[in-house]
Amino acid sequence: ETGVTQTPRHLVMGMTNKKSLKCEQHLGHNAMYWYKQSAKKPLELMFVYSLEERVENNSVPSRFSPECPNSSHLFLHLHTLQPEDSALYLCASSQGTGRVETQYFGPGTRLLVL
Amino acid sequence: QQQVKQSPQSLIVQKGGISIINCAYENTAFDYFPWYQQFPGKGPALLIAIRPDVSEKKEGRFTISFNKSAKQFSLHIMDSQPGDSATYFCAASRASNTGKLIFGQGTTLQVKP
Repeated sequence: ETGVTQTPRHLVMGMTNKKSLKCEQHLGHNAMYWYKQSAKKPLELMFVYSLEERVENNSVPSRFSPECPNSSHLFLHLHTLQPEDSALYLCASSQGTGRVETQYFGPGTRLLVL
Repeated sequence: QQQVKQSPQSLIVQKGGISIINCAYENTAFDYFPWYQQFPGKGPALLIAIRPDVSEKKEGRFTISFNKSAKQFSLHIMDSQPGDSATYFCAASRASNTGKLIFGQGTTLQVKP
């Protein structure tokens, strides 16, 4: 595997379900990100982890819970989601969190909340 | 202040033509402006980026033009090809932001053969 991988690629869940999204980066980076991509809206940064510590939480509802057990893995735990949370969730990584560091994105998980 | 406004929302160009996508920002503290390209089923990938100390940056058929006084920057794709059909996002960030890119709404480009 190369680059940034995400699983699952598609997920359908009910509002009472609990599920987790997984991201793995194979680039040796030390920063990881979660973004939400909704149709006709800008990509929204959700969380930033640097050296496994959360350094940014962009006012995300508590029904989204990130976890970064090591610099290669990032999870997004989901519980009691709402239909408006349906979107493409993208994971990214970068060498550092400086503004000129290129962020490398995974293919995303397409989430549908019923 | 934190927004980046991108236009047009969609663009259709004939093969060989020039594609132009524009972005505008308000926050003068922004000092790094990347463009990302996203193909269907893929995540965005960095295409080209510019710092405000230069007015233009060219990489192959892709050029960023930057107008600091107008707080605008644009992506020009010369000799557009069907393989350029994708969604393009401009973005901006500033030194004090921890990896925080502010993205535009995206432009879906279709290049017709």
